[in-house]
Amino acid sequence: EADIYQTPRYLVIGTGKKITLECSQTMGHDKMYWYQQDPGMELHLIHYSYGVNSTEKGDLSSESTVSRIRTEHFPLTLESARPSHTSQYLCASSGVYEQYFGPGTRLTVT
Amino acid sequence: QKEVEQNSGPLSVPEGAIASLNCTYSDRVSQSFFWYRQYSGKSPELIMSIYSNGDKEDGRFTAQLNKASQYVSLLIRDSQPSDSATYLCEGGSYIPTFGRGTSLIVHP
Repeated sequence: EADIYQTPRYLVIGTGKKITLECSQTMGHDKMYWYQQDPGMELHLIHYSYGVNSTEKGDLSSESTVSRIRTEHFPLTLESARPSHTSQYLCASSGVYEQYFGPGTRLTVT
Repeated sequence: QKEVEQNSGPLSVPEGAIASLNCTYSDRVSQSFFWYRQYSGKSPELIMSIYSNGDKEDGRFTAQLNKASQYVSLLIRDSQPSDSATYLCEGGSYIPTFGRGTSLIVHP
């Protein structure tokens, strides 16, 4: 069974605040991903990493940043949250092929 | 045009019937494909993977890959109301590419 964790699960925060969404996996996977998904809508890849110190932007423009200092940890940071950032954020990791998803963080910016 | 295309549905089938979900892909998508199931408000979970031409069966699920026609499908036999979810098709490549997902409704 895949072990990938996200915290917090739910976050309500005011406009302009800096936030960091945490994602950790215990499988030793090199590949990790961040997706954004609004309710009932498609997944959008916003960041990915294929190893330590390697990060790339995905196909959806995002004002967030990521870092990959340790294999197991892939945090996402929003320097200044806005209501347009309100969404579900999903983290995933992959060994060779298939992806395993974390439970997600539902972010609401007021 | 998206590199992985799915009909958004909803696809409605009666309990016990076969549900057929389809996905087409472009040349730029590699030849490994995955089906994920996503319940409302939950994360996607992997249910099937297929890497070579032909059929792959796992319980009530069968994945089919036709490289010549560039489509991949998922058949769910003896559909149950608990199968009601959105099914996502992913074309594995350097950058993962998901379709928009097909909503399946299995009614009693």
